[in-house]
Amino acid sequence: GAVVSQHPSRVICKSGTSVKIECRSLDFQATTMFWYRQFPKQSLMLMATSNEGSKATYEQGVEKDKFLINHASLTLSTLTVTSAHPEDSSFYICSAFLGRELGDTQYFGPGTRLTVL
Amino acid sequence: QKEVEQNSGPLSVPEGAIASLNCTYSDRGSQSFFWYRQYSGKSPELIMFIYSNGDKEDGRFTAQLNKASQYVSLLIRDSQPSDSATYLCAVNSGYSTLTFGKGTMLLVSP
Repeated sequence: GAVVSQHPSRVICKSGTSVKIECRSLDFQATTMFWYRQFPKQSLMLMATSNEGSKATYEQGVEKDKFLINHASLTLSTLTVTSAHPEDSSFYICSAFLGRELGDTQYFGPGTRLTVL
Repeated sequence: QKEVEQNSGPLSVPEGAIASLNCTYSDRGSQSFFWYRQYSGKSPELIMFIYSNGDKEDGRFTAQLNKASQYVSLLIRDSQPSDSATYLCAVNSGYSTLTFGKGTMLLVSP
């Protein structure tokens, strides 16, 4: 079954508004979560690494003031796209890292499709 | 810079055939290797992981690892149209971060 959930699955908003996306680990604690973005027919792009209780680490070229990440608990990380614009329209996917007993790898949420009008 | 290379495809195979997907990686210190499947419009789904040289089988899937050649492959036996997807190779070189390849599109024709 699914180990990572995301909400909402789809959101349409007007340009200039802010959108919050939630990523939850189900039945396990995730000290590290990741946020990716994927444009149509392109590969996954890592945006940031989110560690519980500390500031997120952003990849080069990702604006930390535009993409606010909060990992306030061991089961929840949020991504807020502030003052969204049409070029922010994309598929946003979170993942949670599981330890060796579960593959020592990342499990992905179902993704959130953001459309900014 | 750590890199993972995959042929973008598409790799086209007829139903029932064996599909062979390949991946090379640059970081010789890599410890763990993964194959994800991504259907169009969906998020990636983990299908196999392998840590040791050799083969690992799970149902119709076999992952093969050759650390000396820095090469990972995924074989899909008895390919089905439902296997049509993009397959992502990923490598963990330590900690929790994965380096992903760009993916190989597989098309299985009925």
